[in-house]
Amino acid sequence: GAVVSQHPSRVICKSGTSVKIECRSLDFQATTMFWYRQFPKKSLMLMATSNEGSKATYEQGVEKDKFLINHASLTLSTLTVTSAHPEDSSFYICSASYSGPRLLNTEAFFGQGTRLTVV
Amino acid sequence: KNEVEQSPQNLTAQEGEFITINCSYSVGISALHWLQQHPGGGIVSLFMLSSGKKKHGRLIATINIQEKHSSLHITASHPRDSAVYICAVFQGAQKLVFGQGTRLTINP
Repeated sequence: GAVVSQHPSRVICKSGTSVKIECRSLDFQATTMFWYRQFPKKSLMLMATSNEGSKATYEQGVEKDKFLINHASLTLSTLTVTSAHPEDSSFYICSASYSGPRLLNTEAFFGQGTRLTVV
Repeated sequence: KNEVEQSPQNLTAQEGEFITINCSYSVGISALHWLQQHPGGGIVSLFMLSSGKKKHGRLIATINIQEKHSSLHITASHPRDSAVYICAVFQGAQKLVFGQGTRLTINP
């Protein structure tokens, strides 16, 4: 199946600093990428949807100035947590979907996730 | 009430038992995913269904569109099957809505 690579898998940062998380589709062009956040023992919460070359669409309650999303190419989307705060500590995971003849556009492929700890 | 409801929320069984996890949804969907999340957090897509039944190894997934219900079955369960299983539905525009997950523990 298709592969989505997310990096880093774990990161510890100090309060006030910014952290960038990368999500790459390795063997297909992802027209749409999704960023999720997961609290302990909870399900995934959609933060934003990004389409290549356009601004991300954020879900209600997600601060777009705090969680910057860039989808500069069909294989790379980045999530930057700016001015990180301990309450931003969480598990962040991306997924990518593909529209084309080889895969249905309802296929979703997930990255490995990034565990962010802000100290 | 959540748009996607899974049951049970927690399930503990002995190795070898037949496992069933259920998923009911209340919205129109284009497809349904069964996902597996291991303790490290990574998510693997097990099945994508829009109708009928799919089988992969010891895993079987079924969906009944009219009843808005899907089931994931594991035959001859093994401790390595221990994980959180998540049902997620596509609600158009490629947006996934997730169930709360079922935490499965298989004891040797």
